[in-house]
Amino acid sequence: NAGVTQTPKFRVLKTGQSMTLQCAQDMNHNSMYWYRQDPGMGLRLIHYSVGEGTTAKGEVPDGYNVSRLKKQNFLLGLESAAPSQTTEYFCAISEAMESYNEQFFGPGTRLTVL
Amino acid sequence: GQNIDQPTEMTATEGAIVQINCTYQTSGFNGLFWYQQHAGEAPTFLSYNVLDGLEEKGRFSSFLSRSKGYSYLLLKELQMKDSASYLCAASDSNYQLIWGAGTKLIIKP
Repeated sequence: NAGVTQTPKFRVLKTGQSMTLQCAQDMNHNSMYWYRQDPGMGLRLIHYSVGEGTTAKGEVPDGYNVSRLKKQNFLLGLESAAPSQTTEYFCAISEAMESYNEQFFGPGTRLTVL
Repeated sequence: GQNIDQPTEMTATEGAIVQINCTYQTSGFNGLFWYQQHAGEAPTFLSYNVLDGLEEKGRFSSFLSRSKGYSYLLLKELQMKDSASYLCAASDSNYQLIWGAGTKLIIKP
């Protein structure tokens, strides 16, 4: 039972390249989230999904796209990477989005855009 | 706007007690979370408060005052392994979490 896994753990991109960050869960939770964590700032929600086939924008969605084709997977895409997207990315899951549900986090992906 | 404030860094001594404060302003409120994050690791859940008062869970307790927009996390009998960042997050009217920048807690022997 791995909980939440993220691939890759580290990645270096050049400006303008594209990539997909993958998040997988084996807890059968309905809601999934992508956050970015910048030094000196709180976690900021990029996109989220409350169920298979549905996605929604969070606080900082620009420059990112997501897909939730299967309940257990939530993909974060960068079509044209920019240096401002250099940061730590965390995927999280919860049973539902209602507030009393704690979020479980993946181990993170460190992305550097040169 | 929505905002969470918590101290950037605190230092405490092993075996002592420390209180980490958090104030919040959100559009709507559906509860307050505390998470712990060790350096280089993912955040892990510590506590959730939605009603006023104190919730105790072992060495950790969390307090909420909804009227004051205020919460604190109390850590007792500090251990070296408690050295970490402590993140405060408020759930807004859409159940999205608004996160503070975190309080880095340094424990000295």
